[in-house]
Parts: sequence; C-alpha cells; structure tokens
Amino acid sequence: QLQLQESGPGLVKPSETLSLTCTVSGGSISSSSYYWGWIRQPPGKGLEWIGSIYYSGSTYYNPSLKSRVTISVDTSKNQFSLKLSSVTAADTAVYYCARRVLYCSSTSCKNWFDPWGQGTLVTVSS
Amino acid sequence: QTVVTQEPSLTVSPGGTVTLTCASSTGAVTSGYYPNWFQQKPGQAPRALIYSTSNKHSWTPARFSGSLLGGKAALTLSGVQPEDEAEYYCLLYYGGSWVFGGGTKLTVL
Repeated sequence: QLQLQESGPGLVKPSETLSLTCTVSGGSISSSSYYWGWIRQPPGKGLEWIGSIYYSGSTYYNPSLKSRVTISVDTSKNQFSLKLSSVTAADTAVYYCARRVLYCSSTSCKNWFDPWGQGTLVTVSS
Repeated sequence: QTVVTQEPSLTVSPGGTVTLTCASSTGAVTSGYYPNWFQQKPGQAPRALIYSTSNKHSWTPARFSGSLLGGKAALTLSGVQPEDEAEYYCLLYYGGSWVFGGGTKLTVL
C-alpha cells in the first residue's frame, strides 16, 4: 500500500532554511486525484496545515506562512519537498507529509487525507 | 485570519455518548468545507476517521459518526471505549487552503 516517509535534518539554526523531503512508495505521485501536503505540530500543541502541491506543480500555501514556504515536486524520484526559510524557534515541530485524495462524482466531491508519514522532529536551535 | 474552534477538552464515561464540534470564524460550516476528523494518540501520527462531513474510512469503527449540527461540523462517538481516549482534530477547507481546529482532548473516565 502507499507509504510516505519524511527525511531531512533534525536540527536547523535560526535564520536558516529548513528542508525536508517526503518519499512516496507503493504508488505514483503523478496521479490526477492526489495532492501532496505538509502539516506540522509544535511540541505539545495542535496541528497546522502548511501547504500542498499537485504533481503538475500547482501549489497551495497557508497564508500565514506563504512568504517563507516553498513546496516542490520531483516526479522522477516520486518525492515532494518543503523549504521553510528564516526559521525561528517557533518553527520547531514535528513535520508530517500526507496525501490528500480528491474524488469527484457527477454530483459531489470528497476530500480525504491518508496516508500520513510517521513525522520527523525538526528543532530550530543554535 | 480564519479560526476553527473546537472544545479544548471533554470527558465521557465508558459506554457513553459524546459529541465534539468544529466551528468556523467565517460562519456556518457546510458540506463545502469538506470537514475531516482525525484522531491522534500520544507519540503517533494523526489517523483519519471521517472525511467530507460524514464518510468513514474502512478502518473507522462504527461507533464514530460525522454530521453537521447547528452550523458546525460534529463528530459523535456512541458507546465510547477506553481506547477512544485521544486528541481529536477537525480540518476545514477554505478555497485552496485548509485550517485545523485546535483539537479536543477526550478523556474516558
């Protein structure tokens, strides 16, 4: 079945750029029904949607993070990536990648988020 | 800035029924917000429970149900089990972007 796995540095210095990659296995990232996204969770706090990308490269970002976020896709490697610039301690979080499925019938559309990666903790500290 | 509001905490007795709600600062939640509900236990990734208001995944126990109630999205647990103790998050769609609620910590006591 489809699986997602986050990878990247677990420690980033303040003011630098956080970079993570999500590798998709067990299926193609280039499906017309799928969007690929990033979600984060600061320690002890709630979930925050960061943004998502379609295999064609169309992106959608959280307005509050838009100026610092770039999400890209590499269909040849079946991967998508997150870059978050000018990080501060407030960006310390577990970062998850997840697939959103968009299914539309003749009468309605449905959206669901599954699967998720296991998450990776990124700490911003000097 | 759009805010999605959930009850911070709820307590329910085993075998009881509880309803968690999800409100939008923009007004009434409708099916067009595609409400999704997730369960998260400590140290685990969130697990999808309900999508597009009321649809269950194949792994979602029958005691979980989703609906729209009084202008909010709602998640009802009927016949609560001890293993349902967890944090529950709703997620709403705002025309290209998505916003999570702050989460409800459900205690089974």
